[in-house]
Amino acid sequence: QSVLTQPPSVSGAPGQRVTISCTGSSSNIGAGYDVNWYQQLPGTAPKLLIYGNSNRPSGVPDRFSGSKSGTSGSLAITGLQAEDEADYYCQSYDSSLSGYVFGTGTKVTAL
Amino acid sequence: QVQLQESGPGLVKASETLSLTCTVSGGSIRSYYWSWIRQPPGKGLEWIGYIYDSGSTNYNPSLKSRVTISVDTPKNQFSLKLSSVTAADTAVYYCARGSSSGWYRGDYWGQGTLVTVSS
Repeated sequence: QSVLTQPPSVSGAPGQRVTISCTGSSSNIGAGYDVNWYQQLPGTAPKLLIYGNSNRPSGVPDRFSGSKSGTSGSLAITGLQAEDEADYYCQSYDSSLSGYVFGTGTKVTAL
Repeated sequence: QVQLQESGPGLVKASETLSLTCTVSGGSIRSYYWSWIRQPPGKGLEWIGYIYDSGSTNYNPSLKSRVTISVDTPKNQFSLKLSSVTAADTAVYYCARGSSSGWYRGDYWGQGTLVTVSS
């Protein structure tokens, strides 16, 4: 059971903006540890999408953005495209567990 | 471009030890943190542990009693051993590179290898 909670699914029409929340606690996100986000296309390995709360690695489209506030992080996809259909995971560090933790995962569907 | 490739048996008997190796190419294993992460079929990701090129390690407390991660810098490889496996250890196992100051996040990942535990 993960210490970072995400909605199981979100959906939107192509072109719309969707957001995914990642709710943690005072021992992980709320303690100041960074939130990272990964995209996992069907049958493939996770790919780093956002690091350090809001930074995009080279090659990641700018329609993906991240933010952090309090004990939560958030991923936004602005202008949803069919190719964005995938599972998305947040990840941080937890001081109580002394290790890295992943969110429960969110499946994004373009209607 | 850094590439990671997992290798090892795809089938392990219950109660035995799972052994996997991650081979790094296109870059040195030195001066970086390296992790193992797994994903049971249809489920989410679970961090197993990391190692630095010096050999220092940190493991997920829930697996710590059964996990050993080691590094072979001349071969540019690091390895995972998970003992006393059960069906709950059936998963796709990934290796991933972190940063030079701590693992923090996986910026390069292997393609993953499915390990099935049989009874």
